[in-house]
Amino acid sequence: EVQLVQSGAEVKKPGGSLKISCKASGYSFTTHWITWVRQMPGKGLQWMGTIYPGDSDTRYSPSFQGQVTISVDKSISTAYLQWSSLRASDTAIYYCARGTGVLDCWGQGTLVTVSS
Amino acid sequence: EIVLTQSPGTLSLSPGQRATLSCRASQSVSSIYLAWYQQKPGQAPRLLISDASVRATGIPDRFSGSGSGTDFTLTISRLEPEDFAVYYCRQYGSSPYTFGQGTKLEIK
Repeated sequence: EVQLVQSGAEVKKPGGSLKISCKASGYSFTTHWITWVRQMPGKGLQWMGTIYPGDSDTRYSPSFQGQVTISVDKSISTAYLQWSSLRASDTAIYYCARGTGVLDCWGQGTLVTVSS
Repeated sequence: EIVLTQSPGTLSLSPGQRATLSCRASQSVSSIYLAWYQQKPGQAPRLLISDASVRATGIPDRFSGSGSGTDFTLTISRLEPEDFAVYYCRQYGSSPYTFGQGTKLEIK
C-alpha cells in the first residue's frame, strides 16, 4: 500500500526554524516526485514546490521561492520541508503528496502553528 | 500563471440530486491536464479525476469529469451523503501548477 506519513504538529515562535517530514512507503521513492501543498486556516490549497528524489531536482512556486527549502533523504525514503525563520503567516496545514501533475496519494498533513 | 475560477462557491443540494461543478481557466490548459480533488473536513485531499475525465482508482462511477481548453466540469450524478465536501480543480499543463479556490458542496 502506498503511504505517506507526515511528522506531527508543531508549535513554534516567530523567527524560529523548523523542518517537517514526509516518509514514503509501498512504492519506489526515487522514481516519483513529491509535492508540498499549503492550506492556511479555512482557505484553499496552494502548491509550494516539488522534488524528484532520484536526483533532488527541485522546483518552487514563485510564491514560495526563497521562503522554504525542500529536500529528501533517499536512504530513509523521506522528504522534508524546512523554514529558517518562521512568521505568523506560516501558520497552516502542510501536506505532502506523491506526484507533480497528478497528486495520487497524500500525507495526513502537518499542522504548523507560529505564535509568540 | 493560469488562474482557475471555480463556480459556484457553495452549492446546496440534497442527497440523490445531481451536482455540476465548474472550473474555468484564465487561459487554455495544455492538453487536458486538469484534475479534481475532494477534501472532507479534517482530512487530506483525495484525487478523484485526472486528465480531465479519468477516474482515479476506487472512485465511484457517479463521479465524472469533462471539458477541455478553458472550461471543465465535475459531475456527481446522484449525490450520496459522503459526497458533501469541498472540491478543488488543479491544472498541471503549465507551471506553476495552480489550484482553483474550491467549491463547497453542502447538504440542503
